[in-house]
Amino acid sequence: GENVEQHPSTLSVQEGDSAVIKCTYSDSASNYFPWYKQELGKRPQLIIDIRSNVGEKKDQRIAVTLNKTAKHFSLHITETQPEDSAVYFCAASIEQAGTALIFGKGTTLSVSS
Amino acid sequence: DGGITQSPKYLFRKEGQNVTLSCEQNLNHDAMYWYRQDPGQGLRLIYYSQIVNDFQKGDIAEGYSVSREKKESFPLTVTSAQKNPTAFYLCASSIAATGFYEQYFGPGTRLTVT
Repeated sequence: GENVEQHPSTLSVQEGDSAVIKCTYSDSASNYFPWYKQELGKRPQLIIDIRSNVGEKKDQRIAVTLNKTAKHFSLHITETQPEDSAVYFCAASIEQAGTALIFGKGTTLSVSS
Repeated sequence: DGGITQSPKYLFRKEGQNVTLSCEQNLNHDAMYWYRQDPGQGLRLIYYSQIVNDFQKGDIAEGYSVSREKKESFPLTVTSAQKNPTAFYLCASSIAATGFYEQYFGPGTRLTVT
């Protein structure tokens, strides 16, 4: 079945550094790729998403890139801050299932000051 | 906070008992989803519903059942057939069943079965 691989599983950076999380997906028909952030004890919330007809999207310190040929997409966080510490999940749409998503296993990002 | 609620926040059950988790949304969203979250496993899709009176199995539907009798409600029953039911369960909804739409998550229910 469809699968999304996410790396790394943990990432520790110093405040002000950049952080990059990478995901690969298996279903070539996937066309929507959101990223969710889950702070400790809270529900996941969408931080950025990208559609298959776009190669890159940026929102302030966060950017996502998509390579459809290679079936991988990445989240880039610049100038990291302690409040960026959380678990980040990538996801890919399931072609035959409307808006249903397959999620990666998550990356725990720790930003130390 | 998003208009999607789950109750209770914590639930304890004895092995062999069925238990139903509540999910309600007042966002007028068409689509609703149930995910299971285990440490290091991400969010795994249990069931989803794109319209009232219709639902489809996700990756890990065995041992679970759902109903969608009303647009705003999508309860999940964890049956005694589910081999490892202890987990954190998240419900979500999106405005439409097709297209590129954000999923809004509820606060979750932590189920412990002993």
